[in-house]
Amino acid sequence: DAGVTQSPTHLIKTRGQHVTLRCSPISGHKSVSWYQQVLGQGPQFIFQYYEKEERGRGNFPDRFSARQFPNYSSELNVNALLLGDSALYLCASSSLTGGTPNTEAFFGQGTRLTVV
Amino acid sequence: GDSVTQMEGPVTLSEEAFLTINCTYTATGYPSLFWYVQYPGEGLQLLLKATKADDKGSNKGFEATYRKETTSFHLEKGSVQVSDSAVYFCALSDDAGNMLTFGGGTRLMVKP
Repeated sequence: DAGVTQSPTHLIKTRGQHVTLRCSPISGHKSVSWYQQVLGQGPQFIFQYYEKEERGRGNFPDRFSARQFPNYSSELNVNALLLGDSALYLCASSSLTGGTPNTEAFFGQGTRLTVV
Repeated sequence: GDSVTQMEGPVTLSEEAFLTINCTYTATGYPSLFWYVQYPGEGLQLLLKATKADDKGSNKGFEATYRKETTSFHLEKGSVQVSDSAVYFCALSDDAGNMLTFGGGTRLMVKP
């Protein structure tokens, strides 16, 4: 079975540009979450989507947005890129239903974004 | 808000040594606790979890016990191998299961 897949694996953008990152969850998983991992730090929660609705949002500026599609894949969009947005962006999927707190999150290998 | 604090690394051990990585947390409610491992160039993999006080999670020789009285979830392994070299993250989930809060990570290096 395919795990969580993310694309692209690496990306270089210039300050001020816009970027779209993509994620396909494990088949049957309806929840997708996004995390930002700056080099040398732990991942920070950005968004969670479930059944195409936003379920949670972390402390990130409005330049960050996301959406989930009917097939449960997801996109993370970042506008007006800053140097500080350089990080590994991780997507995780889970079979979360009804807010069950103990569900395992499966992570993709991430997209390495470099802003120059 | 919720937070997780891990011992800073790197932790350098010889093969077959005993491993302890400390993790303490601050949370409201009753979080679930996790240890994730990240190998070079890869995403995060769940190593073990515990969902309530006094639960012990275990996997691949690693174990951790959910200690509510000390708000801790320390990771231990009796005999580490070179292949255990990686970054280890302690994390908790909120009551609703909507997000994971991670510690800063601890790099483990095991020398033959």
